[in-house]
Amino acid sequence: DSGVTQTPKHLITATGQRVTLRCSPRSGDLSVYWYQQSLDQGLQFLIQYYNGEERAKGNILERFSAQQFPDLHSELNLSSLELGDSALYFCASSVIAGAPGTDTQYFGPGTRLTVL
Amino acid sequence: LAKTTQPISMDSYEGQEVNITCSHNNIATNDYITWYQQFPSQGPRFIIQGYKTKVTNEVASLFIPADRKSSTLSLPRVSLSDTAVYYCLVGDLQQDSGTYKYIFGTGTRLKVLA
Repeated sequence: DSGVTQTPKHLITATGQRVTLRCSPRSGDLSVYWYQQSLDQGLQFLIQYYNGEERAKGNILERFSAQQFPDLHSELNLSSLELGDSALYFCASSVIAGAPGTDTQYFGPGTRLTVL
Repeated sequence: LAKTTQPISMDSYEGQEVNITCSHNNIATNDYITWYQQFPSQGPRFIIQGYKTKVTNEVASLFIPADRKSSTLSLPRVSLSDTAVYYCLVGDLQQDSGTYKYIFGTGTRLKVLA
């Protein structure tokens, strides 16, 4: 158990809908990362927040957004869902004491999103 | 854009040493190299991290040559429970924007046979 929690574990929805995925980082970690894992794209970095502010950004679609709240939990919002958004979504957290790239990320169990 | 490549799959027998290499030609000067292990339907799990030369912990070693354009994860005496997918992770600093991305390798599926 990494100490990172994600809810829900599974989510099934229809195209065009909007969903929210939630992540609670490990105790003491200030940084949260979101990744998407699909069979054809592998693990793709979406976005990183550090202490409430956006720190790094990957190939996150405009239909997707995220935020980190004062209690350090984070939410990933996915809207206007398409079939291709079906994937595992992972959250990770780190202390991020140093420069980007020096942090050790601890991953949650993931949320499996199925868009029908 | 940084690109990391790994062999797609490897087979090994129990008790053997396994070496998995990741190529990351455009690694940034300050970047560390991190390796993760992933079992089906689970999140990646941290194995080891290094910057240069050799790093060793209780489960693996990481070899990084002087040019840092590749790295090799070494798993000593693998067991059946080491069957998993192994990923390298590096950062990619966008020079024009100063923004940063994390790039996972393509993953190597290791199968350990009895």
